[in-house]
Amino acid sequence: GQNIDQPTEMTATEGAIVQINCTYQTSGFNGLFWYQQHAGEAPTFLSYNVLDGLEEKGRFSSFLSRSKGYSYLLLKELQMKDSASYLCAASSFSGGYNKLIFGAGTRLAVHP
Amino acid sequence: EPEVTQTPSHQVTQMGQEVILRCVPISNHLYFYWYRQILGQKVEFLVSFYNNEISEKSEIFDDQFSVERPDGSNFTLKIRSTKLEDSAMYFCASSNRAANYGYTFGSGTRLTVV
Repeated sequence: GQNIDQPTEMTATEGAIVQINCTYQTSGFNGLFWYQQHAGEAPTFLSYNVLDGLEEKGRFSSFLSRSKGYSYLLLKELQMKDSASYLCAASSFSGGYNKLIFGAGTRLAVHP
Repeated sequence: EPEVTQTPSHQVTQMGQEVILRCVPISNHLYFYWYRQILGQKVEFLVSFYNNEISEKSEIFDDQFSVERPDGSNFTLKIRSTKLEDSAMYFCASSNRAANYGYTFGSGTRLTVV
């Protein structure tokens, strides 16, 4: 089956670091996406990992371990505007095409 | 930066009516997708489309749904006879090859069925 698990909610303080974990079980796994989504808006691309290891992009980093079916998104120097839902999505490759299987999202609240 | 454009941003329709949601994918992309998100729930895959045919569809994508690329730029999702449970945000996405490169979502259409 296809299953993506991530915590429902997290809170953190402005300026701090937060790590959002994601575990997945996906047939035809072909990479892991992280998206940010503000209420009522479309998901916005943050990162993509296909190989094991850490990808760093400014204040955001994402890690993947394919053998463990595990990823995390690390957000540094948190700002109030980082309050949003963070969606973990596994790419499932089948029949020559990819589709994204989304987790339910982690609602992050950043407070002063 | 290239964008996926969706129209309309909001659509209200009566139950049983047909709706067409429109998308203009990024111009050099070849793979097109529709996803939906019911309020408060996860984003769900509906259908993928390549080379003028459906490549995969989910169990949600039943006979009341259809997709079309009527010309070189538009990609549409039609819901033939809307039900209350079709109320959701519908997102179009495109990518320029199957290996996820440039996978980009549009801003979505909020469909409300009354």
